[in-house]
Amino acid sequence: AQKVTQAQTEISVVEKEDVTLDCVYETRDTTYYLFWYKQPPSGELVFLIRRNSFDEQNEISGRYSWNFQKSTSSFNFTITASQVVDSAVYFCALSDRNYGQNFVFGPGTRLSVLP
Amino acid sequence: GAVVSQHPSRVICKSGTSVKIECRSLDFQATTMFWYRQFPKQSLMLMATSNEGSKATYEQGVEKDKFLINHASLTLSTLTVTSAHPEDSSFYICSARSLVDQPQHFGDGTRLSIL
Repeated sequence: AQKVTQAQTEISVVEKEDVTLDCVYETRDTTYYLFWYKQPPSGELVFLIRRNSFDEQNEISGRYSWNFQKSTSSFNFTITASQVVDSAVYFCALSDRNYGQNFVFGPGTRLSVLP
Repeated sequence: GAVVSQHPSRVICKSGTSVKIECRSLDFQATTMFWYRQFPKQSLMLMATSNEGSKATYEQGVEKDKFLINHASLTLSTLTVTSAHPEDSSFYICSARSLVDQPQHFGDGTRLSIL
């Protein structure tokens, strides 16, 4: 069975601090996909990144960066120089090669960025 | 990019009412649509998967007679919460996928409040 763990339930940081959100996953599949979504207070899911299991390169997009470590089954997300607008719940998710089937969300991490 | 529209965004109604939520794929044909439920401060949980023209497949613990899903066309799926009660109050999110190897695209969600 697939499982995603986000050990940090809530994180509070002061604006301009860097923050890392942890994600650890479990799967028996050799081909799988990992995702990060942002859910602001308004509720919609904002897609941030998709990474397949064969691409272990880290990725940077503006203030966001992702560290995929297959050896530790982790896909951590770092926000550099956090801003108040980054306040949201962030979900890590895991899907098998068929995407929709077995699409599992982690419990989420609520990030509060204080001014 | 792919767009999924969900309507209504918010519903408040009395106990015993049946409520219909629509999920439309606006610029692609969605062969598969998914319905998720999210209780306050919890993660998204898959309720059911529906393929166009077929009966929906419900996850364990989800009452199919309570949550009626219709996916009669390639661009529209509906979720009807029958005889809704306060415990059905939740955030319902749909997603749609065109092909098995394509990612899901999420709607903006419907916040259902039963008084």
